[in-house]
Amino acid sequence: GAGVSQTPSNKVTEKGKYVELRCDPISGHTALYWYRQSLGQGPEFLIYFQGTGAADDSGLPNDRFFAVRPEGSVSTLKIQRTERGDSAVYLCASSPGLAGEGEQFFGPGTRLTVL
Amino acid sequence: AQKITQTQPGMFVQEKEAVTLDCTYDTSDPSYGLFWYKQPSSGEMIFLIYQGSYDQQNATEGRYSLNFQKARKSANLVISASQLGDSAMYFCAMREGSYNTDKLIFGTGTRLQVFP
Repeated sequence: GAGVSQTPSNKVTEKGKYVELRCDPISGHTALYWYRQSLGQGPEFLIYFQGTGAADDSGLPNDRFFAVRPEGSVSTLKIQRTERGDSAVYLCASSPGLAGEGEQFFGPGTRLTVL
Repeated sequence: AQKITQTQPGMFVQEKEAVTLDCTYDTSDPSYGLFWYKQPSSGEMIFLIYQGSYDQQNATEGRYSLNFQKARKSANLVISASQLGDSAMYFCAMREGSYNTDKLIFGTGTRLQVFP
């Protein structure tokens, strides 16, 4: 079956612009996660959704970052007033059920470059 | 303090040999899970193996096994009979027991290179 998909695969923007990154989880997965991976580092947690609600947004670095999942499926990560330090690969993952169960299935990521 | 520590930035192994990738973790939660993921140059994170803190036996999945030493807080990945396709970054990750969150905390990774 189809895995987690993310669009776009690459995004180049200018400092100060607004960007949206999209994630399509595996069908039927209720849990969805966003991570950010900077060069040479492991992924860093941003936010976790269970259904439509953000169960844990403690990883969002500041109020320029926001994510939604209005129908409990597709999620969009939104970054306002982008800064060069936001350049990274943004990874989305999903898992089938309740917190604490099962592995997370990752998408291929969106590489964001802020010039 | 680092919650997941991978002290080997890079490792080399000859094809068909076994290799151990080190991972130590830090948590005060009695319930947690430990994961290993593989990240090839394509960038996608591929799940390899999972060990729960209450599991009595070490996890195994094909050529992958997890050497879980709870008292030492270590969860080393052992890859047997290495293949050229095993060349990739390998990340150790932990999920702590709170059911209010499901986040994974990752280490900095180990780059494994398998040579013929």
